[in-house]
Amino acid sequence: DAGVIQSPRHEVTEMGQEVTLRCKPISGHDYLFWYRQTMMRGLELLIYFNNNVPIDDSGMPEDRFSAKMPNASFSTLKIQPSEPRDSAVYFCASRYSGGRVAFFGPGTRLTVL
Amino acid sequence: DQQVKQNSPSLSVQEGRISILNCDYTNSMFDYFLWYKKYPAEGPTFLISISSIKDKNEDGRFTVFLNKSAKHLSLHIVPSQPGDSAVYFCAVYTSGTYKYIFGTGTRLKVLA
Repeated sequence: DAGVIQSPRHEVTEMGQEVTLRCKPISGHDYLFWYRQTMMRGLELLIYFNNNVPIDDSGMPEDRFSAKMPNASFSTLKIQPSEPRDSAVYFCASRYSGGRVAFFGPGTRLTVL
Repeated sequence: DQQVKQNSPSLSVQEGRISILNCDYTNSMFDYFLWYKKYPAEGPTFLISISSIKDKNEDGRFTVFLNKSAKHLSLHIVPSQPGDSAVYFCAVYTSGTYKYIFGTGTRLKVLA
């Protein structure tokens, strides 16, 4: 089975533009997580879903960030409008509720100019 | 405030010697602990884990130690190899929350 798939791998955009990051979790996994990696804060949890329902979005930094999971095989993280301080690597991860380990995708490196 | 701390941002070790990576946490409710390894331009990959009912778990060259009274976790790599050079993250988890909290990472460099 393929691992967690993220697209795009790299995104360069200008301040004020809308950015959409995409994730396809591992088939059969019922939990999906969005993380952001920065030098200062390491891996921060932004939001996670269970069975497509958002459970905890307390890590979402501002209203400019939103996440959806319309079905079990697809999730998006949207930033509108984007700002230079949003530049980071964004990871999606998934896990099966019967397991203990989260599996990460390769990440999307976002640069906002 | 950070609930999980990796106080050493970097560590250099000679090939063949032991690498010891440390992690401290604040909340005694955490009951599962994991180490992930991350290479550049890749996502973190699971390495080894330990439940709070144990104090040691071993998998080949990798051993994780848990000291609950000190709220301290460590990863030992013996012997270290150049391919182990990566960033290592510790993560903690409380059963029922399904929420992983990560440390800031330690960059390990194994010198040939």
